[in-house]
Amino acid sequence: AQSVTQLDSQVPVFEEAPVELRCNYSSSVSVYLFWYVQYPNQGLQLLLKYLSGSTLVKGINGFEAEFNKSQTSFHLRKPSVHISDTAEYFCARDTGRRALTFGSGTRLQVQP
Amino acid sequence: DGGITQSPKYLFRKEGQNVTLSCEQNLNHDAMYWYRQDPGQGLRLIYYSQIVNDFQKGDIAEGYSVSREKKESFPLTVTSAQKNPTAFYLCASSRGQNSGNTIYFGEGSWLTVV
Repeated sequence: AQSVTQLDSQVPVFEEAPVELRCNYSSSVSVYLFWYVQYPNQGLQLLLKYLSGSTLVKGINGFEAEFNKSQTSFHLRKPSVHISDTAEYFCARDTGRRALTFGSGTRLQVQP
Repeated sequence: DGGITQSPKYLFRKEGQNVTLSCEQNLNHDAMYWYRQDPGQGLRLIYYSQIVNDFQKGDIAEGYSVSREKKESFPLTVTSAQKNPTAFYLCASSRGQNSGNTIYFGEGSWLTVV
């Protein structure tokens, strides 16, 4: 089955430090990958997505992700985090039946 | 404003009762989805619909039912057959039937069994 694995359930980081949230996917001929953010008691908001083309994808709020086919990874990065970035982050892939399969999520905790 | 509206935000259900969660979108999207979210498990797909009057089971459809009589509406019924219904439920929609389309989410509904 096509799957997505988020390797860290929680990532604590100090404000203004860089952060990387890791995501690996099961290999497939074609793959569409997404990162979503969820603030407490809210729905999910799209940060960025990879469909094709450049492997470095820039998203909202200063986030970016790099698609690495050889390592089957799609890690999310931000060079300097803010308190307001504290949230849960989900990596997802398109299953080919036009619904998304989600990873288990990574809780980013930004500390002052 | 365009978006996805879920109601109610909070719902309590007695054991043995059916409850229906509402989802309405005014984005003119063809596809709609229901996901269930439990702590530490991410989101799991319950049902999805690519077009009016058609829907398919997702990964955890047992104990749930849906209908898609109108393009803008995709209600989810949690039946008494669902053994552990306490969860956060998210409705979503997307445009067209092509892979890679962004899926947009509503604000979610909390269901608690009392």
